[in-house]
Amino acid sequence: AQSVSQHNHHVILSEAASLELGCNYSYGGTVNLFWYVQYPGQHLQLLLKYFSGDPLVKGIKGFEAEFIKSKFSFNLRKPSVQWSDTAEYFCAESSGGYNKLIFGAGTRLAVHP
Amino acid sequence: DTAVSQTPKYLVTQMGNDKSIKCEQNLGHDTMYWYKQDSKKFLKIMFSYNNKELIINETVPNRFSPKSPDKAHLNLHINSLELGDSAVYFCASSQGPGVGNTIYFGEGSWLTVV
Repeated sequence: AQSVSQHNHHVILSEAASLELGCNYSYGGTVNLFWYVQYPGQHLQLLLKYFSGDPLVKGIKGFEAEFIKSKFSFNLRKPSVQWSDTAEYFCAESSGGYNKLIFGAGTRLAVHP
Repeated sequence: DTAVSQTPKYLVTQMGNDKSIKCEQNLGHDTMYWYKQDSKKFLKIMFSYNNKELIINETVPNRFSPKSPDKAHLNLHINSLELGDSAVYFCASSQGPGVGNTIYFGEGSWLTVV
């Protein structure tokens, strides 16, 4: 069965620190990958997505992610985090058949001023 | 304007009751979804409709019944509520049902069963 793993459940950073959140997926075929963010009390918002092409994907708010097929990874990065980046981050994939997002368990990021 | 809107946002109810959550999207999308987020923040798809037809039906108790009166609406009715049904329910939509269509989520409906 397809699955998505996020290794870091809780991450605490100070403002201006660099961020990298890990995501690994299990599906070996053509895969579409996503990062969503959920700010406290709000709905999920799409940060970025990868379907094909350039494996380095740039999203909103200065986030980027790199698709590394050989490692089945799609890690999220940001060079300098802000307090407002405090949120829950979800990696997801969808592949084959109907559009069905398989989510990872999420990573809770807390950024301290 | 909210693209995907759900009502109610908060719902507290007793075990055994029947409740409904309504969802509407104004994006002109053909496909709508219900996702459940449990207390550990784990998100899982429940149902998907495309042009009012059920296309995804995950392993969900029969007490949960989705209804799509038109492609802009997808309501979720839950019978005989149980404590374990307490969760955040997210409605979502996408242009089409195929892989690669970006999914847009509503703000969630917080259901607490006491």
